[in-house]
Amino acid sequence: GQQLNQSPQSMFIQEGEDVSMNCTSSSIFNTWLWYKQDPGEGPVLLIALYKAGELTSNGRLTAQFGITRKDSFLNISASIPSDVGIYFCAGQAQGAQKLVFGQGTRLTINP
Amino acid sequence: ETGVTQSPTHLIKTRGQQVTLRCSSQSGHNTVSWYQQALGQGPQFIFQYYREEENGRGNFPPRFSGLQFPNYSSELNVNALELDDSALYLCASSPGRTTNIQYFGAGTRLSVL
Repeated sequence: GQQLNQSPQSMFIQEGEDVSMNCTSSSIFNTWLWYKQDPGEGPVLLIALYKAGELTSNGRLTAQFGITRKDSFLNISASIPSDVGIYFCAGQAQGAQKLVFGQGTRLTINP
Repeated sequence: ETGVTQSPTHLIKTRGQQVTLRCSSQSGHNTVSWYQQALGQGPQFIFQYYREEENGRGNFPPRFSGLQFPNYSSELNVNALELDDSALYLCASSPGRTTNIQYFGAGTRLSVL
């Protein structure tokens, strides 16, 4: 099935460091979403982006909708232990019902 | 807590059997989407139901079928189970057919032996 290209696949960082991850697509999306999934849980929505160039923050998280509408970025500042988990990007094309997901970025934090 | 509940949480079946998974959507949401998440992968869209009608389908064979009830809860049925059907099955609800935001339940972990 279709998937977005998400990188990096995994990250090992020290507590307090900043984190950046990105997602690219070969096709245009009208909406970009970022989710976090903890073990044994479903994805939880972090940030939603609706407009090319849009920059949106949610606490220590900041995400951007790429100008070309084919990419998106997520940054986490001053990481803390509860940031550990798998982060997924998801895109939705205009008029489409489905979300197309990336493969996920697994974040591990060393205290 | 998204208000989307799924049952059962875990299920073990053998190849060739049939399975039914259930989902209760968040209050006020009339649209339910189902996704399959294989280990180490992102979720893949199976289909969506809007007001009891199928409203879009991903690249899954006909042995994957669904229902939505008048209270907007939903079922996913899989016939003739195959080993590759082992996955986490996620249900997501949204307040309208055209809305972008989908809220996920915790999923049902299906193991096919």
